[in-house]
Amino acid sequence: EVQLVESGGGLVQPGGSLRLSCAASGFTLSDHYMDWVRQAPGKGLEWVGRSRNKANSYTTEYAASVKGRFTIFRDDSENSLYVQMNSLKTEDTAVYYCATAVRDNNGHYYFDHWGQGTLVTVSS
Amino acid sequence: DIQMTQSPSSLSASVGDRVTITCRASQGISYYLAWFQQKPGKAPKSLIYAASSLQSGVPSKFSGSGSGTDFTLTISSLQPEDFATYYCQHYNSYPLTFGGGTKVEIK
Repeated sequence: EVQLVESGGGLVQPGGSLRLSCAASGFTLSDHYMDWVRQAPGKGLEWVGRSRNKANSYTTEYAASVKGRFTIFRDDSENSLYVQMNSLKTEDTAVYYCATAVRDNNGHYYFDHWGQGTLVTVSS
Repeated sequence: DIQMTQSPSSLSASVGDRVTITCRASQGISYYLAWFQQKPGKAPKSLIYAASSLQSGVPSKFSGSGSGTDFTLTISSLQPEDFATYYCQHYNSYPLTFGGGTKVEIK
């Protein structure tokens, strides 16, 4: 059974840093594309970024709102995905979810399994 | 960036009703469209990918259709467990973007 468990959320001041973790089980992390998606309180879903799999050299993509401030990386030996968040802003306050992405027949990737999320609050 | 517009933003319906939610993309995305269900305080649940393919374990009362720019999600007979917020999302290109959501409430 696929399981994704996020951790590392909490309260951080504007300008601060935080690292979130996503512990994966039930599948081989290195084979999978992995994404972070966030949801501000009372708002909709926003894609944060993607880590491609080992076969695609773990390359990454980011939303413009976080590019240059967030870094997605993974430790396949620990079966974990991470996002390092620097220069945090109040508008980064959200529940952060990790999700697996599955390849379709045409090489596009769609979301499959989701974790339960971890709350990040950026406030002074 | 491709903008995804859902309508309506909310609707009230009764148990047993047939419900249809619309999602429009600002440019053509072929069939690279997914639908998600989210209940309060919970993570999203993947329902449909490739516009019309059901994720494993999703009941057949859910169906999706469309291609290009216009898509629909239909729930054939609304049940109490279906009251939730539904989101569409394109995965045609980066950045991936979601619609604003449709909240389905009990009438």
